[in-house]
Amino acid sequence: DGGITQSPKYLFRKEGQNVTLSCEQNLNHDAMYWYRQDPGQGLRLIYYSQIVNDFQKGDIAEGYSVSREKKESFPLTVTSAQKNPTAFYLCASTEGAGETQYFGPGTRLLVL
Amino acid sequence: SQQGEEDPQALSIQEGENATMNCSYKTSINNLQWYRQNSGRGLVHLILIRSNEREKHSGRLRVTLDTSKKSSSLLITASRAADTASYFCATDDNFNKFYFGSGTKLNVKP
Repeated sequence: DGGITQSPKYLFRKEGQNVTLSCEQNLNHDAMYWYRQDPGQGLRLIYYSQIVNDFQKGDIAEGYSVSREKKESFPLTVTSAQKNPTAFYLCASTEGAGETQYFGPGTRLLVL
Repeated sequence: SQQGEEDPQALSIQEGENATMNCSYKTSINNLQWYRQNSGRGLVHLILIRSNEREKHSGRLRVTLDTSKKSSSLLITASRAADTASYFCATDDNFNKFYFGSGTKLNVKP
């Protein structure tokens, strides 16, 4: 059963804490993406990676970090520097440049 | 910014009616895609239209693209209550980076 999985579904962060969101794909896609979605809004690009061991900042990278050590995995860390992290986070992958993006089910991050 | 913008922001229709959503963007594109999002879920790809295409169909969906006006439209014919969702257009640049609009929220009343 191919696709993208994200975990956890809900994540709670305490003040000053770093948290990591997981994204795994078994579609053999090279490119992977992280987006942030605020209520009633569209998607904003945080980071993307076109190949293993390489990634680029998106439009709102401040306060976030990523790694791409394996083709299948692209975890996102929300650091304590991100002052307003409450949002819905979506991971996606594509099979080629400009092709269809496949999305995971999302992780909702809430601040305690 | 290359970000697309959908119009209208919200649309409410009766089941069986057609729904039309529009998307405008600012710079040249390779492809334009439409996605659907049910509340609290991930996005699902609906249709991709390339910059050299003018119209594309998929089931009850019809997409048009006018590159001279930098705009696209998505038509859903004979709408159903299950079509209730948010619809987003997305464009891509030459560097495999995607730009999403803020979406049209469609409500189909049974």
